[in-house]
Amino acid sequence: LAKTTQPISMDSYEGQEVNITCSHNNIATNDYITWYQQFPSQGPRFIIQGYKTKVTNEVASLFIPADRKSSTLSLPRVSLSDTAVYYCLHFSGGYNKLIFGAGTRLAVHP
Amino acid sequence: SAVISQKPSRDICQRGTSLTIQCQVDSQVTMMFWYRQQPGQSLTLIATANQGSEATYESGFVIDKFPISRPNLTFSTLTVSNMSPEDSSIYLCSAKDPQETQYFGPGTRLLVL
Repeated sequence: LAKTTQPISMDSYEGQEVNITCSHNNIATNDYITWYQQFPSQGPRFIIQGYKTKVTNEVASLFIPADRKSSTLSLPRVSLSDTAVYYCLHFSGGYNKLIFGAGTRLAVHP
Repeated sequence: SAVISQKPSRDICQRGTSLTIQCQVDSQVTMMFWYRQQPGQSLTLIATANQGSEATYESGFVIDKFPISRPNLTFSTLTVSNMSPEDSSIYLCSAKDPQETQYFGPGTRLLVL
């Protein structure tokens, strides 16, 4: 089973950049890396996905080093509404399903 | 992106009864899944819903307890059978689109008394 390791919790303040790093030492050659955000009482929301180097969208950036054994989700200038649990996962295309780890609880303070 | 709706959004049930949760996706998807999430915990995959055939269950989950149907590409149901208080949880439907992005529904909050 795909397994990832990420910090249990993080704290930040409004306007700061937040970087959450995840390790996935057993990632397979064909696996993609994907990140989800979950607010209380809601289903997880897809944030960003990548295979290598850097991916950026309107919400976040994803940095993946050459060995792909880790990845870093970067949230620029967080606000209170970014307080949520962030999950890092990796999976192969096709049939493979998403297996969730514990996630990182990010708390953004005023 | 795919938008997933679930019915009911929440329910309170008596032990020994069964509840069927419906999941509808607004666009074509390839795979559909059912997850469970206990309060304050991460998501646990129950099964993959296969169109026109029996679902594929993860370890610890069985068809008699969680029968699943998927009569077409965009609709699935999960039944929680013979419920006990330990089944109180949030049940989430999920679907993967042809671009391999997986989306989640809002969840069904179940309380068993």
